[in-house]
Amino acid sequence: NAGVMQNPRHLVRRRGQEARLRCSPMKGHSHVYWYRQLPEEGLKFMVYLQKENIIDESGMPKERFSAEFPKEGPSILRIQQVVRGDSAAYFCASSRYGEETQYFGPGTRLLVL
Amino acid sequence: AQKVTQAQTEISVVEKEDVTLDCVYETRDTTYYLFWYKQPPSGELVFLIRRNSFDEQNEISGRYSWNFQKSTSSFNFTITASQVVDSAVYFCALSAGRAGTALIFGKGTTLSVSS
Repeated sequence: NAGVMQNPRHLVRRRGQEARLRCSPMKGHSHVYWYRQLPEEGLKFMVYLQKENIIDESGMPKERFSAEFPKEGPSILRIQQVVRGDSAAYFCASSRYGEETQYFGPGTRLLVL
Repeated sequence: AQKVTQAQTEISVVEKEDVTLDCVYETRDTTYYLFWYKQPPSGELVFLIRRNSFDEQNEISGRYSWNFQKSTSSFNFTITASQVVDSAVYFCALSAGRAGTALIFGKGTTLSVSS
């Protein structure tokens, strides 16, 4: 039973480039959440999506960040024109419809040079 | 506003010692969920337990036990006879009492168990 899959596990980008982070939820899970872990800030919620819908993006920075969860394929967190402050671990979690427990993937460590 | 406080930033123990990780939460919701997650050195986040606000029964799973007390808004986690493999960062988290809501995490407690 595969868990939540995230790729890449590590991503290095130069300032100004784009970063694309992918997340495949656990089998049978239709809800996806993205969190960011910054060294001094801890884990913070970014966005919650269901298939083809963004349900709650209250934690997303207003600029440069976007997320999608298409009908087919993984959820994508996209960061345009990355800056050094975007360096962090980005975690994806998934849950079943109607369930409160979120199961996390291994994370993507983004380093912006 | 919802908030989770883990006052212990770091704890160091020797193997076989018992250790308790504290978690205090704030919420105005009458229905809510509390969670513990473990983040070992490899970096992934591992779900340990979920407790809903209507269930104050303590839970034991092997060497792990959890003490939920609504009167003090606490959800403490005890590891009995700690082992080196327990070394990790442990996060307490809170969510409103419905599916699909964000987890509010504490800042975590780093537990180091030495042999």
